[in-house]
Amino acid sequence: QVQLQESGPGLVKPSETLSLTCTVSGDSISNFFWTWIRQPPGKGLEWIGHIYHSGGATHNPSLRGRVDMSVDKSKSQFSLKLRSVTAADTAVYYCARWAGWIDFWGLGILVSVSS
Amino acid sequence: DILMTQSPLSLPVTPGEPASISCTSSQSLLHSNGHNFLVWYLHKPGQSPQLLIYLGSNRAAGVPDRFSASGSGTDFTLKINRVEAEDLGVYFCMQSLQTPYTFGQGTKLEI
Repeated sequence: QVQLQESGPGLVKPSETLSLTCTVSGDSISNFFWTWIRQPPGKGLEWIGHIYHSGGATHNPSLRGRVDMSVDKSKSQFSLKLRSVTAADTAVYYCARWAGWIDFWGLGILVSVSS
Repeated sequence: DILMTQSPLSLPVTPGEPASISCTSSQSLLHSNGHNFLVWYLHKPGQSPQLLIYLGSNRAAGVPDRFSASGSGTDFTLKINRVEAEDLGVYFCMQSLQTPYTFGQGTKLEI
C-alpha cells in the first residue's frame, strides 16, 4: 500500500516561500506523476501541479508562476515551493500520486500564512 | 478551466437506504478513446481521501460493490446501494481529462 506523508512548517510569513516535502513509502517514486493539491478553509480543492519522477512538471496557471516542484529519488521525496505567499495561500496542502488520476493521497498539512 | 458542479452539497441519509450524488462538468469528459475521465473520491474525517471510482464507472480495488457510478459526457452519478455507517464523509468528483484538473465542491453524506 502506497503511503504519502506531507511535512513542513505550519506557519509562513506573507511574501515568504512556502516549502513542503512529501515522503513516499510502499512503492518506488521512479514511476508515475507526483501531485500537489490544496484546499483553503471553507473552499474547494485546487490542483496545484504535478511532477514526473524524471523532473518534467506542469502547474496550475492560476498560481502565476510562483510554483516550483522537484523530486529527490534518493530520499523517495518530492517537494513544493510556493513563492511570495499571501493569506490567500492559507490551506490544507495534500500530496498525492497521479496514475492517470489521483490514486493515493496524503493526510494533508495545514499551512497558515500570517505575520 | 472545466467547472465541476456537484449536487446536493449535503445529503442526509438513513443506514440501509440508497443514496445518489450528481456531478456535472462544463465540458464533455469523454475522451476519443471512449473513456470518461471522471473520478470519485470519499474523504472520511481524519483520513486521507480514498479513490472510489475511476474512468467514470470503474470501482477501485477494495471498494465495496454497493458503490456504483455511471454517466458519460457531462453528467455523472455516484450511487450507494445501501448506505452503511462507514460511508459517511465528503464525496467529491474530479475531472482528469485536462489540466488544470478540477474538483467538485463536495457532497457531505451524513445521518
